[in-house]
Amino acid sequence: NAGVTQTPKFQVLKTGQSMTLQCAQDMNHEYMSWYRQDPGMGLRLIHYSVGAGITDQGEVPNGYNVSRSTTEDFPLRLLSAAPSQTSVYFCASTLGPGANVLTFGAGSRLTVL
Amino acid sequence: QQQVKQSPQSLIVQKGGISIINCAYENTAFDYFPWYQQFPGKGPALLIAIRPDVSEKKEGRFTISFNKSAKQFSLHIMDSQPGDSATYFCAAYNYGQNFVFGPGTRLSVLP
Repeated sequence: NAGVTQTPKFQVLKTGQSMTLQCAQDMNHEYMSWYRQDPGMGLRLIHYSVGAGITDQGEVPNGYNVSRSTTEDFPLRLLSAAPSQTSVYFCASTLGPGANVLTFGAGSRLTVL
Repeated sequence: QQQVKQSPQSLIVQKGGISIINCAYENTAFDYFPWYQQFPGKGPALLIAIRPDVSEKKEGRFTISFNKSAKQFSLHIMDSQPGDSATYFCAAYNYGQNFVFGPGTRLSVLP
């Protein structure tokens, strides 16, 4: 089992550019989420989804967009990248709202110049 | 309030020593308190977890102590090893809600 797969692992963008971070899981998990990790800030929730076709905002959603057309995939879109979005992004999933073990991907390091 | 506080921000321990990381929460609705371990370049992974109906849980060298009245919990790593060097996150969760993570503690165990 691959678990949670994130691509790309590294990305450099210029301010104003857009891009999509990909996340896929093969565990038939209903719940998927995106976090950003910044020094001293821990893991902050950006967006999450409790199933295909359902998404909601987390703690820091501004500047990001998500969709969930399938159970397996949960892409994160940066609409117009800003230097403040320089961070390490993690996708995480779990079986469902009542499941309490998050499985994380390996992360995507994004630098916005 | 959903915040989870964690201290210290960084910790240096000699090999064989005890590492202690502390966390505090405010929302009494939380009913599950996991610790995640993250090695450089990797995603966090579940290390150990506890529910508030017990005061302590031990798995090998790792122990969680839980104080429900004080709304605090801590991770103790006994006989710390260089391989334990990682960032540790405490978290809190309640059914149907999202996980709330502490800011993390970077542990370095010196050989």
